[in-house]
Amino acid sequence: NAGVTQTPKFQVLKTGQSMTLQCAQDMNHEYMSWYRQDPGMGLRLIHYSVGAGITDQGEVPNGYNVSRSTTEDFPLRLLSAVPSQTSVYFCASRGRGVAKNIQYFGAGTRLSVL
Amino acid sequence: GESVGLHLPTLSVQEGDNSIINCAYSNSASDYFIWYKQESGKGPQFIIDIRSNMDKRQGQRVTVLLNKTVKHLSLQIAATQPGDSAVYFCAETMGEYGNKLVFGAGTILRVKS
Repeated sequence: NAGVTQTPKFQVLKTGQSMTLQCAQDMNHEYMSWYRQDPGMGLRLIHYSVGAGITDQGEVPNGYNVSRSTTEDFPLRLLSAVPSQTSVYFCASRGRGVAKNIQYFGAGTRLSVL
Repeated sequence: GESVGLHLPTLSVQEGDNSIINCAYSNSASDYFIWYKQESGKGPQFIIDIRSNMDKRQGQRVTVLLNKTVKHLSLQIAATQPGDSAVYFCAETMGEYGNKLVFGAGTILRVKS
């Protein structure tokens, strides 16, 4: 059981480049989220999804797009990277019912935008 | 407690002592409050949660206390061990059906052997 898998682990981009951060979970969780974590700060919610085909914005959605075509995958797209998007990105998933507050996080993607 | 910017509060405790990590939250309407632990280079890991209609909940070596009057949450770790060294975040659920999780800035716990 792999849990939540994020790729790549590290990425360096130039300003204006685009890329997709991949996230996959094998726990059949309906809920998936993307967060960014900046030095000395907590995690901030970028986008989330409550099921395949359904996405919504979090606290800091600007500059990022998401889609959810399958239950397993929730990619995060940076259309035109800027230096302020330098951060560590975490994907998370959770189930429903009594375990709904237990979010499982991936190991993160460290992104630098030059 | 919470902090702003790059300087997280740090709690240093001796191995075997009890630790108390504090958090102030903002939203009185939050349904759940949750503690996460983040070790260096890893994603956060769920520790324990408490519903807003409770004031105390115990887990294995951990206790969470909720004081809604002053909007204060605390995490108590009994007999702190070196493996407890990490950054601890409180979080609260917000939005429709509690689908959004809003994190505090975090507290660094350092355990001295």
